[in-house]
Amino acid sequence: NAGVTQTPKFQVLKTGQSMTLQCAQDMNHNSMYWYRQDPGMGLRLIYYSASEGTTDKGEVPNGYNVSRLNKREFSLRLESAAPSQTSVYFCASSDGTGNNSPLHFGNGTRLTVT
Amino acid sequence: DAKTTQPTSMDCAEGRAANLPCNHSTISGNEYVYWYRQIHSQGPQYIIHGLKNNETNEMASLIITEDRKSSTLILPHATLRDTAVYYCIVREYSNSGYALNFGKGTSLLVTP
Repeated sequence: NAGVTQTPKFQVLKTGQSMTLQCAQDMNHNSMYWYRQDPGMGLRLIYYSASEGTTDKGEVPNGYNVSRLNKREFSLRLESAAPSQTSVYFCASSDGTGNNSPLHFGNGTRLTVT
Repeated sequence: DAKTTQPTSMDCAEGRAANLPCNHSTISGNEYVYWYRQIHSQGPQYIIHGLKNNETNEMASLIITEDRKSSTLILPHATLRDTAVYYCIVREYSNSGYALNFGKGTSLLVTP
């Protein structure tokens, strides 16, 4: 039982390049989330998926797209990377759609855009 | 919009209890209090959550005041590995559904 798995762990991009961050969970959870964390800051929500087939914007969605491929997988895409997107990206999942189900986080993807 | 207030930093001696306070004076009746910690840029780790009653698990205890306006996370015997940033979060329904809204947290330093 691996929990939430994120790939890759590290990535360096040049400005304008695109890439997709992958996230998979093996806990049969309904909801999945993408957060970013900048140095010295708390986590900020980018997008979330309350259930398979739905996605919604969070606090900082600009420059990103997401796909809930199936119940297990939720990917985050940067179409044209910018230096402002240098950050650590965390994926999370939770069992229910209400407020009584903890989120469980992956260990992050560290992205640098030069 | 229920927000939380936590001290910026705290120290605790190894082996002693660490008591981390959190104020959430505008909490609503159906909003849970969650605690997470983050160790050196790893993914946030779930610790415990509660609504009204005190809760205990293998990691910690959560004490919620009767009026629910504040809570305390207790690590009963702190170790050096408990050095981390601790986040107290009131989980409310917002434009982002029930996503967790992280603030700055309390940086706990456990010293030998």
